[in-house]
Amino acid sequence: KQEVTQIPAALSVPEGENLVLNCSFTDSAIYNLQWFRQDPGKGLTSLLLIQSSQREQTSGRLNASLDKSSGRSTLYIAASQPGDSATYLCAVYTSGTYKYIFGTGTRLKVLA
Amino acid sequence: DAGVTQSPTHLIKTRGQHVTLRCSPISGHKSVSWYQQVLGQGPQFIFQYYEKEERGRGNFPDRFSARQFPNYSSELNVNALLLGDSALYLCASSLVVRQETQYFGPGTRLLVL
Repeated sequence: KQEVTQIPAALSVPEGENLVLNCSFTDSAIYNLQWFRQDPGKGLTSLLLIQSSQREQTSGRLNASLDKSSGRSTLYIAASQPGDSATYLCAVYTSGTYKYIFGTGTRLKVLA
Repeated sequence: DAGVTQSPTHLIKTRGQHVTLRCSPISGHKSVSWYQQVLGQGPQFIFQYYEKEERGRGNFPDRFSARQFPNYSSELNVNALLLGDSALYLCASSLVVRQETQYFGPGTRLLVL
């Protein structure tokens, strides 16, 4: 059974810092992994999608890496800004299933 | 192109009532999935439908049901609402069943009083 864990659960950093959010999963047989952003009371915004054959994806100040063999993904945010404050969710689509399994998220606060 | 759309955006119900939530997938997508997200948790899978048939079901009681229409839109129905059903309900669409990339809608926020 796939389980997804995100560490840390919450993070508070000063503006401008580079930071890393971690996601681990127990079953390495995955189709893909997505990182989402969720603002309070809002829906999900897809940030990056990494297919199982890929090692990383980049979008602007965001970079996500995937290491299937170790069951880990990291989301790197460069030069953080107060507007980056949100909850970041990692979701894994496991081979042979029909659903995403989500972590519980990392709640990020970037202080001005 | 329009993304996944859901209606209504917000809803308030009382315990024991019934609710229907609606979802329209991305044009050309034939599969719709439903997820429930309670406060402080990640979304949990409820159902997947493809070609009007249920193809997957999560660990939810029979009070939860869904259907898919010939135009691939979908409804999620919840009977005998409980306070614990208060959540954000997310719809996701994909091209086919078990297609690896699902695209999420903005969600419907349900509050049960």
